[in-house]
Amino acid sequence: GAVVSQHPSWVICKSGTSVKIECRSLDFQATTMFWYRQFPKQSLMLMATSNEGSKATYEQGVEKDKFLINHASLTLSTLTVTSAHPEDSSFYICSASRDRAYEQYFGPGTRLTVT
Amino acid sequence: GENVEQHPSTLSVQEGDSAVIKCTYSDSASNYFPWYKQELGKRPQLIIDIRSNVGEKKDQRIAVTLNKTAKHFSLHITETQPEDSAVYFCAASSGWGKLQFGAGTQVVVTP
Repeated sequence: GAVVSQHPSWVICKSGTSVKIECRSLDFQATTMFWYRQFPKQSLMLMATSNEGSKATYEQGVEKDKFLINHASLTLSTLTVTSAHPEDSSFYICSASRDRAYEQYFGPGTRLTVT
Repeated sequence: GENVEQHPSTLSVQEGDSAVIKCTYSDSASNYFPWYKQELGKRPQLIIDIRSNVGEKKDQRIAVTLNKTAKHFSLHITETQPEDSAVYFCAASSGWGKLQFGAGTQVVVTP
């Protein structure tokens, strides 16, 4: 149990366009979902935390108007990178946790390349 | 906010030897400390975790120790094997919430 999927696994888009990444908990209800960004040879940096039905809480330095997060149900959260630029190219990973649980279950990640 | 420091950044060991990675954290309210293994291009995999009410936890060749007073925790891998080669991350959380990750340790196990 506790499987998290992400779609797409990789995406290439042109500069200035928007791209949406989906994160799904397949066999449990995810009260909270987290979005991370990981640049090559670096650590995971938390971008935002989202709870179902609430607005996401963004980390300092993350532009909420550029990285739109929607957590419409207990099994789905989406991250939309708007007006993407080459510097947004990165590995985006989501995670999900059950209600009042410590452990986070990670998705397989989405490799975004902006040309 | 929480700050997690991790050392060393790279660690080369001979197969069969032990590997130790150390992390320190700043927020005394942190009470959950997981360790992840990440292979290139893959998701982080939880390998072991510890909560603040426990000083040590072991699972086969992997163990974690926690010193709350000093605010540091360590990962110990014994009898290392080539398949242990990966990047290892420590993290800290104040519970039911966001994880702050360390910078990572590239472990290379040479046969």
